[in-house]
Amino acid sequence: EAGVTQFPSHSVIEKGQTVTLRCDPISGHDNLYWYRRVMGKEIKFLLHFVKESKQDESGMPNNRFLAERTGGTYSTLKVQPAELEDSGVYFCASSPGAGTVFGQYFGPGTRLTVT
Amino acid sequence: KNQVEQSPQSLIILEGKNCTLQCNYTVSPFSNLRWYKQDTGRGPVSLTIMTFSENTKSNGRYTATLDADTKQSSLHITASQLSDSASYICVVSGNTGTASKLTFGTGTRLQVTL
Repeated sequence: EAGVTQFPSHSVIEKGQTVTLRCDPISGHDNLYWYRRVMGKEIKFLLHFVKESKQDESGMPNNRFLAERTGGTYSTLKVQPAELEDSGVYFCASSPGAGTVFGQYFGPGTRLTVT
Repeated sequence: KNQVEQSPQSLIILEGKNCTLQCNYTVSPFSNLRWYKQDTGRGPVSLTIMTFSENTKSNGRYTATLDADTKQSSLHITASQLSDSASYICVVSGNTGTASKLTFGTGTRLQVTL
C-alpha cells in the first residue's frame, strides 16, 4: 500500500512568487491534514479536510494560503505571494477517521525556502 | 497556553544502551498522547498512543509511560540500535480529539553510535 506522498520534496522561491504544494493521501482516507514546521519550532496544524470539505482551517496563518481538495482525493496548498516567514517544512497527513485516536499517516514533507 | 516540552533536546548514546526521553505537557483538557518517530527526510510515524487511563504501553523495544496527574510522559528505548537514530516527537491531543487541538513538542534528536 502506498503511503502519503508529497510533491515537490523541496522548493526554493523568491519572496513574492507563488508556490503550490501537492499531497496525495493514502487511498480511501477521507481525512487529510496539512501541518507546518517552521525552523526550530514545533509542528503546527494548518487545516483539515474531510473528503473535499474543509472541516477546520483554524490554523491557516493568513489569506495568502489557499488549500483545495477537489474531488476529495489529492490536495494542494498554494502560497501566494510567498513571504520569508513562510519558509519551513509542510507536512501532509491522512487518516481513515477524524478523531486523533485514529493514526495519522504523514508524508515526507515539502521543504519550502523563500529567499 | 497549551504547551509540550521535551527533554533532552538531543542525545547521543552507544548502540545497545538504553535511554529515556521526557515529555511534559500543559494541555488541558486531555484526550490522548502519542509518541512519534521521525527519520531524517521522512514524516513522523506513530509509535504509541495512550489515553487518560493508560499508564504504560509498549511497542517492541519502545515503552511509553504516562502520568496524567503530573502531566508527564516518557519514552524508554531498550537495547538501542543504529536505526533508532531519529527525532522523537511527543504530541498531545486536547479534549475534542481533533487535529486542530494537537500540540506538538519540538522533539528529541537521538543519535545512536557504534
